[in-house]
Amino acid sequence: ILNVEQSPQSLHVQEGDSTNFTCSFPSSNFYALHWYRWETAKSPEALFVMTLNGDEKKKGRISATLNTKEGYSYLYIKGSQPEDSATYLCAFSLGNTGFQKLVFGTGTRLLVSP
Amino acid sequence: DGGITQSPKYLFRKEGQNVTLSCEQNLNHDAMYWYRQDPGQGLRLIYYSQIVNDFQKGDIAEGYSVSREKKESFPLTVTSAQKNPTAFYLCASSGGGLVQPQHFGDGTRLSIL
Repeated sequence: ILNVEQSPQSLHVQEGDSTNFTCSFPSSNFYALHWYRWETAKSPEALFVMTLNGDEKKKGRISATLNTKEGYSYLYIKGSQPEDSATYLCAFSLGNTGFQKLVFGTGTRLLVSP
Repeated sequence: DGGITQSPKYLFRKEGQNVTLSCEQNLNHDAMYWYRQDPGQGLRLIYYSQIVNDFQKGDIAEGYSVSREKKESFPLTVTSAQKNPTAFYLCASSGGGLVQPQHFGDGTRLSIL
């Protein structure tokens, strides 16, 4: 059974704090790692799709790293703002299915207080 | 604007009734997906379709059916055989290739009367 673990489950920080979350996934049969941001009452929005070991991606104050050998990815938010409050999902894409099968973690819920 | 539209936002099902959730996309994407979310669990794949007139079962297809008669549309029917249908349902689509991000609708929350 494939398992994608995200930690912490939830996080409450103050505006201006920097924070990071972890996504752990199986290191075998890796194809890609997706990160999504899901704000309340909205649809999940893609942040990054990462494929290469050692890959780093950045979008504004948010960045992500990938280690496929040990099976983890970190998502960093620098100087958190209240508008960053959302659930952050990671999803592991298998390499041998012939289609984009994503296995999702349960998410990290971030609350940023002003 | 391009995107995915799911309707209705809320749906109530009576015992023994089939209900259909609508999903329409204008992104010109070939692949479409249906996911289910339950409390404390990650999104789970119900069905997916890679092209028109073709679809495959995902991990939890029992009690559900789909059709893909048009590229833009991928409706999901929750049949009376689905004994625990109360959940939040998300539709998604993706473009060509296996490393494209998925685009999601706003979801439909289904409850039992």
